[in-house]
Amino acid sequence: AQTVTQSQPEMSVQEAETVTLSCTYDTSESDYYLFWYKQPPSRQMILVIRQEAYKQQNATENRFSVNFQKAAKSFSLKISDSQLGDAAMYFCAYPSALAASGTYKYIFGTGTRLKVLA
Amino acid sequence: DAGVTQSPTHLIKTRGQHVTLRCSPISGHKSVSWYQQVLGQGPQFIFQYYEKEERGRGNFPDRFSARQFPNYSSELNVNALLLGDSALYLCASSFWPGRGSGANVLTFGAGSRLTVL
Repeated sequence: AQTVTQSQPEMSVQEAETVTLSCTYDTSESDYYLFWYKQPPSRQMILVIRQEAYKQQNATENRFSVNFQKAAKSFSLKISDSQLGDAAMYFCAYPSALAASGTYKYIFGTGTRLKVLA
Repeated sequence: DAGVTQSPTHLIKTRGQHVTLRCSPISGHKSVSWYQQVLGQGPQFIFQYYEKEERGRGNFPDRFSARQFPNYSSELNVNALLLGDSALYLCASSFWPGRGSGANVLTFGAGSRLTVL
């Protein structure tokens, strides 16, 4: 069964500095997607970045980038020039196939709470 | 464009009661999924509906049920509430419940916070 593990319950970063959040996963598939979602106190999960496993190039979205190590099954999120608005829970997620239906459910890690210090 | 809307935003129930949570997907999205997020944990998959048919069910008891209407909105019902059902219930929509490319990426609502006393 696929699993997603986030080993950092909480991280802190100074404003304008860089922080990296870790995620490891387990799957037997060769082609898949991985996601980072952000959940601020408003509770709404917001997509931060997406990586396609067959692409060797790491995804980048403005200040957010990933370090995708397929062989190691590692998918870390780097936030550069951290801002106060980046403070939130961050979840790593993996779409897992629902047997026979041809559709997918998301498996989430337990999350990392990011605090941004002024 | 309106995002995924959920109602109610907060509700308090007592053990043994029944609750109905509602979700309206983004216009044009035909798939709705429900997730339960217990405090301090990541969301756990409950149900997925596509074109009004159940396409997947997570490891939840039969007290949990759902349905999708012709306009693609959805309801999640929980009977015989237990204290452990206290959680944030998230609804997510996508055009198709696929792997995660393009329009298949999940868009979440702000959730319904259920407290069971």
